[in-house]
Amino acid sequence: GQQVMQIPQYQHVQEGEDFTTYCNSSTTLSNIQWYKQRPGGHPVFLIQLVKSGEVKKQKRLTFQFGEAKKNSSLHITATQTTDVGTYFCAGRGGSNYKLTFGKGTLLTVNP
Amino acid sequence: SQTIHQWPATLVQPVGSPLSLECTVEGTSNPNLYWYRQAAGRGLQLLFYSVGIGQISSEVPQNLSASRPQDRQFILSSKKLLLSDSGFYLCAWSVERSGNTIYFGEGSWLTVV
Repeated sequence: GQQVMQIPQYQHVQEGEDFTTYCNSSTTLSNIQWYKQRPGGHPVFLIQLVKSGEVKKQKRLTFQFGEAKKNSSLHITATQTTDVGTYFCAGRGGSNYKLTFGKGTLLTVNP
Repeated sequence: SQTIHQWPATLVQPVGSPLSLECTVEGTSNPNLYWYRQAAGRGLQLLFYSVGIGQISSEVPQNLSASRPQDRQFILSSKKLLLSDSGFYLCAWSVERSGNTIYFGEGSWLTVV
């Protein structure tokens, strides 16, 4: 079945440093979604990427979808303590309603 | 706007006792509904999904079952809980017309003792 690998599992940074998490799928994806889960909370949808090579930005967050539609990345510029949480990627393959989630990257930020 | 309600928020149950978690979605019709489990605060494991009333698909063999008695109601059940059933359970919904983005409820913390 479809597998989505996400690295790193954990990342600790100093406030102001950049952060990147990477997502790789074993199969070509129709789209990929990113979610953020704050400690003690539930995952919240951030963005969806659909097109090959697509790049989207949300303030300090930059999302990329690879040309082959098998990998994606989330980059945060100049992290803040409010960025703390677990970031999940989730890929959708052939099925229209099933997402396969990566295991997430837990980001901690030292003020 | 659409909302999702999930309850109870927390519960502590003894081994061998039954379980019922409920979830309702408001503001949309014919949603796809999901139950996920998150153990140890990390990965999300899809347990069940439903594309319509009475239609349930199970992703992994387990001690749990799901039912969808109404269009916007999804129930997660167990007849006899195991210690390994402890975790954070998340109900979620999606609709095709919004690209099937998944929206999660606030979750239910289950501790089996």
